[in-house]
Amino acid sequence: GQNIDQPTEMTATEGAIVQINCTYQTSGFNGLFWYQQHAGEAPTFLSYNVLDGLEEKGRFSSFLSRSKGYSYLLLKELQMKDSASYLCAVRDSWGKLQFGAGTQVVVTP
Amino acid sequence: DSGVTQTPKHLITATGQRVTLRCSPRSGDLSVYWYQQSLDQGLQFLIQYYNGEERAKGNILERFSAQQFPDLHSELNLSSLELGDSALYFCASSVEQTGTQYFGPGTRLLVL
Repeated sequence: GQNIDQPTEMTATEGAIVQINCTYQTSGFNGLFWYQQHAGEAPTFLSYNVLDGLEEKGRFSSFLSRSKGYSYLLLKELQMKDSASYLCAVRDSWGKLQFGAGTQVVVTP
Repeated sequence: DSGVTQTPKHLITATGQRVTLRCSPRSGDLSVYWYQQSLDQGLQFLIQYYNGEERAKGNILERFSAQQFPDLHSELNLSSLELGDSALYFCASSVEQTGTQYFGPGTRLLVL
């Protein structure tokens, strides 16, 4: 099975940077995903890491260390519209995704 | 817009009833996944189909069943509904069995 941990909530100011950490324990690892989900809406795909290192996509970056079972999502130049839940998800060798409980990011003016 | 469609958007029904949720994957995607999201449980994987065949099962109750049809759309059937089944039900699709999953807008089910 898999166990995925991420903080429940983080608050940051508009224009700032926030780093959301995710740690996982898994019996089979085939990639780590980050999704953004606004309340009542569908999760939308943000990033994917399968090899160690940093993947950068505009204001969002994601990092993975497989040996440490650790990932983070970095949100730069925060905007009010970034207020949402951010879900860390680990894929097993069969393609199944196990999601963390999500981190609610609150961006304040 | 992910390209995944789900109907209906909202569904209100009574305990003991049966409902069917429908999902059409993105064009070209062969794999369909169903998830349940309730306030206290987060996003829970239910079941996966690939090109018409069941591929993986999560914590899906025996009262729930699903299928994927030859045109690749999928249906999730929920029967003998209980109050605790009230949740958002999402469908996702991907090209391959292990591809990136794109989510539909969800069906909000309320069981009274």
